[in-house]
Amino acid sequence: SQTIHQWPATLVQPVGSPLSLECTVEGTSNPNLYWYRQAAGRGLQLLFYSVGIGQISSEVPQNLSASRPQDRQFILSSKKLLLSDSGFYLCAWDWNSGNTIYFGEGSWLTVV
Amino acid sequence: QKEVEQNSGPLSVPEGAIASLNCTYSDRGSQSFFWYRQYSGKSPELIMSIYSNGDKEDGRFTAQLNKASQYVSLLIRDSQPSDSATYLCAASASKIIFGSGTRLSIRP
Repeated sequence: SQTIHQWPATLVQPVGSPLSLECTVEGTSNPNLYWYRQAAGRGLQLLFYSVGIGQISSEVPQNLSASRPQDRQFILSSKKLLLSDSGFYLCAWDWNSGNTIYFGEGSWLTVV
Repeated sequence: QKEVEQNSGPLSVPEGAIASLNCTYSDRGSQSFFWYRQYSGKSPELIMSIYSNGDKEDGRFTAQLNKASQYVSLLIRDSQPSDSATYLCAASASKIIFGSGTRLSIRP
C-alpha cells in the first residue's frame, strides 16, 4: 500500500530564518506531488505541484520554493521566512491529476 | 476563477440526527467529487468520492451529486460526537479544487 510521510511535524522558526520541509511517498512510482498551506481556520491553498522529477509548477508567487530531487521526494523551502508564512503545511500525492488526493500528516510552522 | 463553495458553519446537530453538508462548484467540466474530513490539527482524510449523478452510500455516509445543479452534498446518519470535524468538499476537472470547509459540531 502507499504511504506518505512528511517532517518535521512541528517547528518554530524566527523571522528571516530558512525553512526546509520534506515529504516522501512510498509504495508507488511517478506520483503527482503537491504542497498545500492551510492558515488557521482557513481553506487549503495550493502552493506547488509536480508531475515529475525536476518539474515544479508554482500556483502562488511568494518567498517559498519547491524541489523534487527524486521521484518520490518533494521538498518545500524558503531562504527567509516571513510572519505570514505561519500555517499548516500539507504534502499530498495522487496518481493522475484530478483523482483522489492523499495527504501526509502535516507540518505546523510558527514563525516568530 | 474556478471555485468550490461551502457554508463555513458551524453546523450544530444533535447526536443521533442526520447532518447535511452542502457544496456547490463553478466548473461544469468537473468530473470527480470528494468529501474529506479534517479533525482539528490533523490532515484531511478521504471519506467518499462520487463521480456519477445520484446517491452513493458507505455506512452512515451518503454522498449526493447533481451535475445539472452543480451541487454536491454529504449526509451523515446517526451522527456521533466523533463526527465533529471540518468537512472539505472538492471538485476536480483537470485538477482538484477544495472548498474552505464546513465545521460540524455534534452536540450530546
